Amino acid sequence: ILNVEQSPQSLHVQEGDSTNFTCSFPSSNFYALHWYRWETAKSPEALFVMTLNGDEKKKGRISATLNTKEGYSYLYIKGSQPEDSATYLCAFSNSNSGYALNFGKGTSLLVTP
Amino acid sequence: DAGITQSPRHKVTETGTPVTLRCHQTENHRYMYWYRQDPGHGLRLIHYSYGVKDTDKGEVSDGYSVSRSKTEDFLLTLESATSSQTSVYFCAITGGQGYNEQFFGPGTRLTVL
Repeated sequence: ILNVEQSPQSLHVQEGDSTNFTCSFPSSNFYALHWYRWETAKSPEALFVMTLNGDEKKKGRISATLNTKEGYSYLYIKGSQPEDSATYLCAFSNSNSGYALNFGKGTSLLVTP
Repeated sequence: DAGITQSPRHKVTETGTPVTLRCHQTENHRYMYWYRQDPGHGLRLIHYSYGVKDTDKGEVSDGYSVSRSKTEDFLLTLESATSSQTSVYFCAITGGQGYNEQFFGPGTRLTVL
């Protein structure tokens, strides 16, 4: 089992605020880092897969960065909207974990108008 | 849409009864997974399969068994359900985008009384 830590555990922001969360993972034998968006009563939805140190990915107002040497990734949301309210999961795999992903416990984001 | 369905979507059962959950996929993916989701724990891997009749244990496999007799179906069985197995169960497959990206089914909410 590979330990993946996400912080903060929960976050409450006002509409229009920008926010960011952190995912920390073991840096040895890195293979890939995934971000998922998970709305209540739905299934997790893939946002990004990142594989290279220094990778940056962007989808609309959401972006992510990756540092494989120090073992962390940041997810940024610019100008949060109420529809961004969800739990954001990161998941990590290394070259020893086969096809399994190790999930963090998620950051729960609430955006209020 | 990764063509994943789960059945049943909701089930209430009594302690000690056997329960089987079914995951069905239509796109011939080799890897399939069963997770459980509980508050404070995120997603935890129960079992996974890497082909017909090829399965392996995950982080929380005690009390669960799986079978995969056809590529499209991955069954999760609770031989004798306990209240601690009350949870939401998600099936996932590894899609064709590489880097172990997983796509999730809609989930099954199981309540063991």
